[in-house]
Amino acid sequence: EDQVTQSPEALRLQEGESSSLNCSYTVSGLRGLFWYRQDPGKGPEFLFTLYSAGEEKEKERLKATLTKKESFLHITAPKPEDSATYLCAVQATGYQKVTFGTGTKLQVIP
Amino acid sequence: DARVTQTPRHKVTEMGQEVTMRCQPILGHNTVFWYRQTMMQGLELLAYFRNRAPLDDSGMPKDRFSAEMPDATLATLKIQPSEPRDSAVYFCASGLGVQGRDGQPQHFGDGTRLSIL
Repeated sequence: EDQVTQSPEALRLQEGESSSLNCSYTVSGLRGLFWYRQDPGKGPEFLFTLYSAGEEKEKERLKATLTKKESFLHITAPKPEDSATYLCAVQATGYQKVTFGTGTKLQVIP
Repeated sequence: DARVTQTPRHKVTEMGQEVTMRCQPILGHNTVFWYRQTMMQGLELLAYFRNRAPLDDSGMPKDRFSAEMPDATLATLKIQPSEPRDSAVYFCASGLGVQGRDGQPQHFGDGTRLSIL
């Protein structure tokens, strides 16, 4: 059974204080690993897809990386508007089903 | 930007009543997913469709939940009878599921917040 574990559950940063969120996964064969951002009262918003170990994707202050067992979401010089819950999900080869982690709630303090 | 549309956004009803939630997927997407999100469990997959055919509904309590896609522009999730433990946010997502291609992301609506009294 596919499993996704995210850590930490919650993270509080000062504005400008860079950090990383972790997503550890177990899947029979990786078809794709996804990062989403979720704001209160909203649905998850797609950020990145990573397909193979060694791949990296960037968007503004966010950079996602992938190894065979985990993915990191690096946040460089975060701003208060980066405050949200970040979700990681994996899709196994041959399946449409996506398994989500429980998320990391990020709070960036001005 | 194209978006998944869900209605209603909020629903409060009494235990035992029928609840119907609707979803309009993004035009051209051929897979539709229903999720339930709670503080305790996070996002749980209830059911999903590909080309309007149900592929997996093993996440749903079969005795009270049903999911259908009467046409390509509408997906419905029904609960009958509803129970207080069904209170949660229900999300619909759509995507492009193409056999043999790398994973395609799902795009979510803003959910239906359901409260069963």
